[in-house]
Amino acid sequence: SAVISQKPSRDICQRGTSLTIQCQVDSQVTMMFWYRQQPGQSLTLIATANQGSEATYESGFVIDKFPISRPNLTFSTLTVSNMSPEDSSIYLCSVVGQGDYYGYTFGSGTRLTVV
Amino acid sequence: EDQVTQSPEALRLQEGESSSLNCSYTVSGLRGLFWYRQDPGKGPEFLFTLYSAGEEKEKERLKATLTKKESFLHITAPKPEDSATYLCAVQARMTTDSWGKLQFGAGTQVVVTP
Repeated sequence: SAVISQKPSRDICQRGTSLTIQCQVDSQVTMMFWYRQQPGQSLTLIATANQGSEATYESGFVIDKFPISRPNLTFSTLTVSNMSPEDSSIYLCSVVGQGDYYGYTFGSGTRLTVV
Repeated sequence: EDQVTQSPEALRLQEGESSSLNCSYTVSGLRGLFWYRQDPGKGPEFLFTLYSAGEEKEKERLKATLTKKESFLHITAPKPEDSATYLCAVQARMTTDSWGKLQFGAGTQVVVTP
């Protein structure tokens, strides 16, 4: 399965600022997803990152708040914009590789704290 | 809307005390049911994918089973290193053959004491 490098692993940010999270995969992948895991809760899909086109956002998530880029088949970024303390979460990148039959691989996550 | 419910929320076991975790799901046509293990501060680690009722898969002390309405993760003779949160997720069948999103349950936090 693919190996994912996610950066940064953690950050503490001031409210009103933005943070860009990077997801680098060691092989070309078909699908890339961004999830959020709020404290003590399970994973919620933010959006599907589409290569060469706009991301597809889930209900409750908007592009102005969570802009996503995917310039190629191995890299994507998620930006958390105009942050508030409610954005404090773990953000996770997930991929499905080409030819993957068994499912999804997750990165180690970015632990974001907004103060 | 797809729904996934896991029970119990938390489970405390003595080393060697076998038990089962439940994952009940409602989905408009199941493409796959996934089990993950998540350690604190880390991303989910893939364990199993089940595709059809009656299917079973095993890995070391873990065995996953699937019916039309639920899945069980059996932990046989657990060890302290099996302590983790176990997540269940479903993917609905899509009109295309592409991989779509996963709908996750809230997880079961398992603690195994020596």
